[in-house]
Amino acid sequence: QVQLQESGPGLVKPSETLSLTCSVSGGSINSYYCSWIRQTPGKGLEWIGYIYYSVSTKYNPSLESRVTISADTSKNQFSLRLSSVTAADTAVYYCATQASGWSPFDYWGQGSLVTVSS
Amino acid sequence: EIVLTQSPDFQSVTPKEKVTITCRASQSIGSTLHWYQQKPGQSPRVLIKYASQSISGVPSRFSGSGSGTYFTLTINGLEAEDAAAYYCHHSSSLPQTFGQGTKVEIK
Repeated sequence: QVQLQESGPGLVKPSETLSLTCSVSGGSINSYYCSWIRQTPGKGLEWIGYIYYSVSTKYNPSLESRVTISADTSKNQFSLRLSSVTAADTAVYYCATQASGWSPFDYWGQGSLVTVSS
Repeated sequence: EIVLTQSPDFQSVTPKEKVTITCRASQSIGSTLHWYQQKPGQSPRVLIKYASQSISGVPSRFSGSGSGTYFTLTINGLEAEDAAAYYCHHSSSLPQTFGQGTKVEIK
């Protein structure tokens, strides 16, 4: 059974960079499309982007200028960096996996609440 | 970007009733439409994949249909444990998007 676990600061100051890591167990990140998704009461669920084959990335155009997703295959982890954050980036951030780019999100982390505030 | 619009936003239902939630896509997405259930404080979990394919471990009262731009999720015989938010999601093209969600409450 694949399990995902997000980790990272729960509070980030405006204009700084949000960083989260997703640790994956029970499967290799090389086998999945590894996504970051966020959820807010106002905008609902929003796909941020994914990394596949541990090196190729695709991002949501709405966030592309501020987002970097990377992977560390030695640790079986993938990470999110979102720069120049504002209060609008306050959300629950999930990591999730797909078997392919057309698949559903089969596995999800428990979610990590990140608040942007000074 | 393909917009997914769910209807209704909220539904209050008596146990054993049939529930139908619709998801309309702003352009054709074939069958690359998936349904999720999310209970408070939990992550979403997939219920139906590719519009109508069942998922192992998901109760058989959940079913899906549709293709192109119109999709439905049906719960046949609602149970108390089905109180949750339900979301559709397309993976037809990038960016992937989700519907705004339908909250189902048990009367």
